[in-house]
Amino acid sequence: GQQLNQSPQSMFIQEGEDVSMNCTSSSIFNTWLWYKQDPGEGPVLLIALYKAGELTSNGRLTAQFGITRKDSFLNISASIPSDVGIYFCAGQGGGADGLTFGKGTHLIIQP
Amino acid sequence: DAGVTQSPTHLIKTRGQQVTLRCSPKSGHDTVSWYQQALGQGPQFIFQYYEEEERQRGNFPDRFSGHQFPNYSSELNVNALLLGDSALYLCASSLRGGRETQYFGPGTRLLVL
Repeated sequence: GQQLNQSPQSMFIQEGEDVSMNCTSSSIFNTWLWYKQDPGEGPVLLIALYKAGELTSNGRLTAQFGITRKDSFLNISASIPSDVGIYFCAGQGGGADGLTFGKGTHLIIQP
Repeated sequence: DAGVTQSPTHLIKTRGQQVTLRCSPKSGHDTVSWYQQALGQGPQFIFQYYEEEERQRGNFPDRFSGHQFPNYSSELNVNALLLGDSALYLCASSLRGGRETQYFGPGTRLLVL
């Protein structure tokens, strides 16, 4: 099945550093979402974006919906140990469509 | 406020068997979507149920079927299991036929031997 192009695949960073990851698609999406998944659990919604160009923050997290509707990025500022996990982007085409996910970015933080 | 719940948490089956997985949506939600997540991959959309009907379907064979009950809970059935069906099966609930944000349950880990 289709998956979004998410990069990087993994990141090894020091605690306190800022993190940036992005997601691109060959198709247009009307909604972009960012989820975090911890081992053995389901994805947890971090940020939802509904309009091209929209920039939204949730605490130390900031995400943007690209103006072409084919990309999105997520930034995490001042990383802490609990930020460790797998981050997924997801796009939704029509209002009631199923989500299309990226392969995820593994974030590993070295104390 | 109860979140999305799924049962069982883990399941082991053999090739050719059939399996049923269950999902209860978040309180107040009326739409259930099912996803398959293979190891190291992002979730793949299987199908969505709203008003007790299958509304959307991803690229999965008809060995995968489902049902939604009047209380909005849902079942995913997989017939003639293959080794490749081993995965984490995730249920997500939302409002208004999927037009609102989807919230995921913890998943059911299925191992096919």
